[in-house]
Amino acid sequence: AAGVIQSPRHLIKEKRETATLKCYPISRHDTVYWYQQGPGQDPQFLISFYEKMQSDKGSIPDRFSAQQFSDYHSELNMSSLELGDSALYFCASSFSGPDTDTQYFGPGTRLTVL
Amino acid sequence: AQKVTQAQTEISVVEKEDVTLDCVYETRDTTYYLFWYKQPPSGELVFLIRRNSFDEQNEISGRYSWNFQKSTSSFNFTITASQVVDSAVYFCALSFTSGTYKYIFGTGTRLKVLA
Repeated sequence: AAGVIQSPRHLIKEKRETATLKCYPISRHDTVYWYQQGPGQDPQFLISFYEKMQSDKGSIPDRFSAQQFSDYHSELNMSSLELGDSALYFCASSFSGPDTDTQYFGPGTRLTVL
Repeated sequence: AQKVTQAQTEISVVEKEDVTLDCVYETRDTTYYLFWYKQPPSGELVFLIRRNSFDEQNEISGRYSWNFQKSTSSFNFTITASQVVDSAVYFCALSFTSGTYKYIFGTGTRLKVLA
């Protein structure tokens, strides 16, 4: 079965530009999570969606927004990019069934802000 | 507070040695879940194991084994007869049922297996 798909895999932007990261969850998964992993750090939870509604919010800057669409894919929109936004952004998905706690991660989008 | 501690920042072993990665967690929840993920140099996060708080049975999968002890709030991971391909950063993570199952990760342990 296909795993979580993230696009693009690599993205280079200038300061103050905007970026959009996309995530396509595993088929039938209804929950999406976004994490940010800075260089040499552990992944930090940003935001999650369940059935197209925001379900939880972590340390996500106000400059970032996200949504989940009717086909369950999700997009993370980042504006006024700063150097400190350079990181690996992971999307993970899960299914609200018996193993709802287990998240399956995509390969990540590596964002570089110059 | 919910917290995961991986005190070992980096471990180096010689191939075929056994190695144990430590994970200590803190939570007030009675129902929670613990995970191990592997992050190879390519960057993806690979799921290794899940354990819920009611299942203290140890598990073995090939060269991998996990020791879950609620009494010490630990969920340690042992690789037997390590191989160079085991070189990666290993993350322990915690999630709980109050909320949305978001993960709290430890800071990771970088394992280097030398040939």
